[in-house]
Amino acid sequence: LAKTTQPISMDSYEGQEVNITCSHNNIATNDYITWYQQFPSQGPRFIIQGYKTKVTNEVASLFIPADRKSSTLSLPRVSLSDTAVYYCLVGPFNQAGTALIFGKGTTLSVSS
Amino acid sequence: EAGVTQFPSHSVIEKGQTVTLRCDPISGHDNLYWYRRVMGKEIKFLLHFVKESKQDESGMPNNRFLAERTGGTYSTLKVQPAELEDSGVYFCASSQDPAGTSTDTQYFGPGTRLTVL
Repeated sequence: LAKTTQPISMDSYEGQEVNITCSHNNIATNDYITWYQQFPSQGPRFIIQGYKTKVTNEVASLFIPADRKSSTLSLPRVSLSDTAVYYCLVGPFNQAGTALIFGKGTTLSVSS
Repeated sequence: EAGVTQFPSHSVIEKGQTVTLRCDPISGHDNLYWYRRVMGKEIKFLLHFVKESKQDESGMPNNRFLAERTGGTYSTLKVQPAELEDSGVYFCASSQDPAGTSTDTQYFGPGTRLTVL
């Protein structure tokens, strides 16, 4: 699976928009991009997934440029409860049985 | 709809003892995965079941670990005998088979924290 690189940590204040960028230079044609969120003492929680361009759901937006070598997770108007670790993963997620490869993720700290 | 559940939430055992972790996937999910995070490391894949069959065991660390999924519903992960380095958090995830344009989204349980003394 393609290796991903993302910032180790980010700080923000309540009400701000947070953008976390992930690099995946070796992404394959059939790879998708998926983001998970993890709170302390909980399992990773699926946030959003995309293949190209832009995907939006009730939680976040995912921006993917044409070359797909990077992606940006956008969290609008964060609150204290958005403090968590965010993981960017790539892989052929249109196939069942793809082992997720987690890196260190980005620890987002939101302050009041 | 209930999510993935795991039991126990915590387990403290002594080196050399046996521990069995249980995972109940989301109803109707044929795919079941085990992952673990040992102290200070990233979450690592252990194995993947499709119904009751092991499809990929490439992440299992050694033969002290035995996973089963009898009947294709819940799964157990037994560690026998447990060693100090087995301490960590064990996560279970499940997913449906992707169909059409859907993708294989894995939903995780809360994990079991295992401490081996």
